Amino acid sequence: SQQGEEDPQALSIQEGENATMNCSYKTSINNLQWYRQNSGRGLVHLILIRSNEREKHSGRLRVTLDTSKKSSSLLITASRAADTASYFCATDARLPNAGGTSYGKLTFGQGTILTVHP
Amino acid sequence: DVKVTQSSRYLVKRTGEKVFLECVQDMDHENMFWYRQDPGLGLRLIYFSYDVKMKEKGDIPEGYSVSREKKERFSLILESASTNQTSMYLCASSPWLRGYQPQHFGDGTRLSIL
Repeated sequence: SQQGEEDPQALSIQEGENATMNCSYKTSINNLQWYRQNSGRGLVHLILIRSNEREKHSGRLRVTLDTSKKSSSLLITASRAADTASYFCATDARLPNAGGTSYGKLTFGQGTILTVHP
Repeated sequence: DVKVTQSSRYLVKRTGEKVFLECVQDMDHENMFWYRQDPGLGLRLIYFSYDVKMKEKGDIPEGYSVSREKKERFSLILESASTNQTSMYLCASSPWLRGYQPQHFGDGTRLSIL
């Protein structure tokens, strides 16, 4: 199965409500990233959280990381219709070498489709 | 602003044809990636390259090859296209920065093999 798996697969909310998406993964990671994809377009990087961080904020976005549970969540506060998109988590796995580095190869989950109704 | 440009947004080819998908990035990034995206399967890595003339297989390399002769350009080649290669293809690039490697994506090529 995928390294990163999002939950729920689809989320439908009203404008102004908060949206929470969850991601679980299986192996040790260097970092976890969240991306957004508008319909028919490429992915856009939203936020990155390192394995030694627990929470990160960027505007209306809040990301948490629990490495003991191998899970992350993305919270979008005060959602807008323009937030309608697919959201993906991606993990940068830690290689089993002395430095634990990687080539930045990411493993993506299947995504959460968020619909925000005006 | 980082720009990753894929040569075509839509492409229609026939079974058995040799197909080239081109990707160019303008930020001098070391790493480049090719993914395919299918409904219900998310993004799957086909090949990646961390330097000129270097390539590494991703999760689904069968039926594909790549070429990276210049740092800014990464080409995906379907040697003999088949209908199961109909998909959205996404190219991405990222800098080589230890522990901090967000990827920048092109807008994708929707490829149909008839």
